[in-house]
Amino acid sequence: QVQLQESGPGLVTPSETLSLTCTVSGGSMSRFYWSWVRQPPGKGLEWIGYMYYSGSTNYNPSLKSRVTISIDTSKNQFSLKLTSMTAADTAVYYCARESSELFEGYYFDYWGQGTLVTVSS
Amino acid sequence: IQMTQSPSSLSASVGDRVTITCRASQSISRFLNWYQQKPGKAPKLLIYAASSLQSGVPSRFSGSGSGTDFTLTISNLQPEDFATYYCQQSYTTPQRTFGQGTKVEIK
Repeated sequence: QVQLQESGPGLVTPSETLSLTCTVSGGSMSRFYWSWVRQPPGKGLEWIGYMYYSGSTNYNPSLKSRVTISIDTSKNQFSLKLTSMTAADTAVYYCARESSELFEGYYFDYWGQGTLVTVSS
Repeated sequence: IQMTQSPSSLSASVGDRVTITCRASQSISRFLNWYQQKPGKAPKLLIYAASSLQSGVPSRFSGSGSGTDFTLTISNLQPEDFATYYCQQSYTTPQRTFGQGTKVEIK
């Protein structure tokens, strides 16, 4: 059974950089897209971006200038860096695996439990 | 592409048949997924590609639609089904867009 687990600080100072890591267990990282999704308290889901196992990336245009996603398949981990954090970035951050099937699109089939990141001084 | 769900919330009773609608601002073929999220938990994939049931999901969940209009139907609503449901499109790769969510509450 594939499992994902986020790790990182729960509190970030305004203007600083958030760094989160997602550790994948129970399966290979090959042939999947590895994504980050966030959810501000009481609000909906926002896709941040993904990295394909081979290293290609794509980011939400609204966050692109501040986001970097990286992957270390030897450690079965991928990471998120989000710079210039503000209170508006306070959210639960989820890592997720995205699968794709020909003619069936892409879908998030495994998720981490999520980690709350609060931006405050 | 904008995804609009309706209603934003609804009240229903155990045993009811519930239908949630998701409308895309332009055609997304059948590249539409549905997720269930319970408070404090991660979203869970229910339906992918508009109508394919994810492994392990009860058959009372079903999806339909293509183009711009999609529905998620829960037949015989169970107590564990009270949650928030999100649609998500994957047509405009690489972008991913979620609907705003529909909260299903107990009447």
